Amino acid sequence: AQSVTQPDIHITVSEGASLELRCNYSYGATPYLFWYVQSPGQGLQLLLKYFSGDTLVQGIKGFEAEFKRSQSSFNLRKPSVHWSDAAEYFCAVGMYNNNDMRFGAGTRLTVKP
Amino acid sequence: GAGVSQSPSNKVTEKGKDVELRCDPISGHTALYWYRQSLGQGLEFLIYFQGNSAPDKSGLPSDRFSAERTGGSVSTLTIQRTQQEDSAVYLCASSLEGWGAYNEQFFGPGTRLTVL
Repeated sequence: AQSVTQPDIHITVSEGASLELRCNYSYGATPYLFWYVQSPGQGLQLLLKYFSGDTLVQGIKGFEAEFKRSQSSFNLRKPSVHWSDAAEYFCAVGMYNNNDMRFGAGTRLTVKP
Repeated sequence: GAGVSQSPSNKVTEKGKDVELRCDPISGHTALYWYRQSLGQGLEFLIYFQGNSAPDKSGLPSDRFSAERTGGSVSTLTIQRTQQEDSAVYLCASSLEGWGAYNEQFFGPGTRLTVL
């Protein structure tokens, strides 16, 4: 079965600084990969997804992620963080023929003024 | 338009009681999912409904958990004889079609369940 690891439980960055959230997955074939954001009191919102093709994926709110098959990674990046980006971020992996999407444990992002 | 809604937003119950959690998916979405979000554990898949097909119950942690979806729309997740380890946020999601990994899932705000 597929699995997802988000090594960083909590990250703090200064507003305006760059951000990279790590995600590693375990799956034998090419997975479908997702990043979701959960703001306090809100439901999860899809930031971006990768199914195939270009390994650099652009998402909403200025986020991007790069699929690196050799490293089994799908790290999320943003060049300049805004205070409103403070939230919990979840990486997820799914398979074509399976409804069981696996989510990582999440990374909580704190943004310092 | 209306998103996925869940009720109640918070539920406090005593150990051993039964609880029902409700999910209203986005109108027209044929696929519906339940997840459990425990502190520090990420999201755990529980059950999936697609149209009139038999649900995928492979994620249900025990036979105390059950879910139904009436008329292909509203879904109810029932937890019988609740235990303290059932305390979590229960999230519902819906998507336009099946094969959820391919179709974007839209999540509700969740129901926070606390079992005393």
